[in-house]
Amino acid sequence: EVQLVETGGGLIQPGGSLRLSCAASGFTVSSNYMTWVRQAPGKGLEHVSILYSGGTTYYADSVKGRFTISRDSSKNTLYLQMNSLRAEDTAVYYCGGNSGLYLRAFDIWGQGTMVTVSS
Amino acid sequence: QSALTQPPSASGSPGQSVTISCTGTSSDVGGYNYVSWYQQHPGKAPKLIIYEVSKRPSGIPDRFSGSKSGNTASLTVSGLQAEDEADYYCNSYAGSKNFPHVFGTGTKVTVL
Repeated sequence: EVQLVETGGGLIQPGGSLRLSCAASGFTVSSNYMTWVRQAPGKGLEHVSILYSGGTTYYADSVKGRFTISRDSSKNTLYLQMNSLRAEDTAVYYCGGNSGLYLRAFDIWGQGTMVTVSS
Repeated sequence: QSALTQPPSASGSPGQSVTISCTGTSSDVGGYNYVSWYQQHPGKAPKLIIYEVSKRPSGIPDRFSGSKSGNTASLTVSGLQAEDEADYYCNSYAGSKNFPHVFGTGTKVTVL
């Protein structure tokens, strides 16, 4: 079964750091392009970062310089390192992947992990 | 990275059809045939229902269809069923020079 499982969310003070993990099974993170998408409470979906299989990375302007996307092929896991967190980063964070079956679309998703930035 | 524009809400009775628009620019929707649509039920992850403007992934019923004209893409849900009540988001590829994907603002579909 193809599955993505996110972990690492929680309550963090403004200015703090968190690392989200997205462990894949039945699917190879390094062979496909991946994204982190967030959804603030009651709001829509927003891409935070994208990592291509070749290693190219992209960041939304709102997180550029603060967030870093990466992957560990040996663990088949995608990461999102989040530094200098702000209240507006509060959201459910989903990892998504393109399995290669459907061009330029994300057909595999994790269940999401909640990040709350508050003092 | 401006979000694509969708109507906030749409509704229809069971068995009816509802169409949702998704308006972008020539740099995203109009420039590529890589519009996808996602269905999201409350508290759940997004689910891919349309890719490459009008193609359906395996397992998605043919009640869901997509199209595009110029800078506007559309999703039509025919034969509405209670389980179709959800939020729907379009997404477009926007090239590799800038951030390569952008979501729409989302549309809440209510089955009356």
